[in-house]
Amino acid sequence: AQSVAQPEDQVNVAEGNPLTVKCTYSVSGNPYLFWYVQYPNRGLQFLLKYITGDNLVKGSYGFEAEFNKSQTSFHLKKPSALVSDSALYFCAVTGAGSYQLTFGKGTKLSVIP
Amino acid sequence: DTGVSQDPRHKITKRGQNVTFRCDPISEHNRLYWYRQTLGQGPEFLTYFQNEAQLEKSRLLSDRFSAERPKGSFSTLEIQRTEQGDSAMYLCASSPPGQSYEQYFGPGTRLTVT
Repeated sequence: AQSVAQPEDQVNVAEGNPLTVKCTYSVSGNPYLFWYVQYPNRGLQFLLKYITGDNLVKGSYGFEAEFNKSQTSFHLKKPSALVSDSALYFCAVTGAGSYQLTFGKGTKLSVIP
Repeated sequence: DTGVSQDPRHKITKRGQNVTFRCDPISEHNRLYWYRQTLGQGPEFLTYFQNEAQLEKSRLLSDRFSAERPKGSFSTLEIQRTEQGDSAMYLCASSPPGQSYEQYFGPGTRLTVT
């Protein structure tokens, strides 16, 4: 069975500071990893993915994520947070050959002006 | 840019009634997925279609739930004899052919069972 853990329900960061949203996963075989963002009253939006290759993945809106196989982690990062980044962030995983995404419970990011 | 659309956006029904939701994927996306999301949780996978074939079903998808994608385009999700525990946001997603794996989500249908 595959699973995702997002250990922080909420992350608060000051505008302009770097941000990190944590994610660890468990899956059989090679992981395919994703980050999605959900704004109030809007659908989930795809941010970035790791399938293979470089461990540092760049995505939309200046976000990036680092895949760490030994720590089974895929943390989301951004060098300088914006107030508009405030939203709910979900990490998801699936195994090679499967299209069934397993999501974490989400982390609420609040960027304080 | 036409994204994934879902209809209706909101549905209130009484316990025991049947409801049906529709999802229209992004044009030329051959894979279509249904998820359910409850408050404070991430989306949970229900089922997946490749073209018109239903290839994966979650154990969450009880006998009261049925999904179809008859012509490989739009899909419907029906819940029979609704229960209060069925109250949730039902999300549809689609993805293009090939090995891209990312899924593009619609706005969801919020179901409230009273």
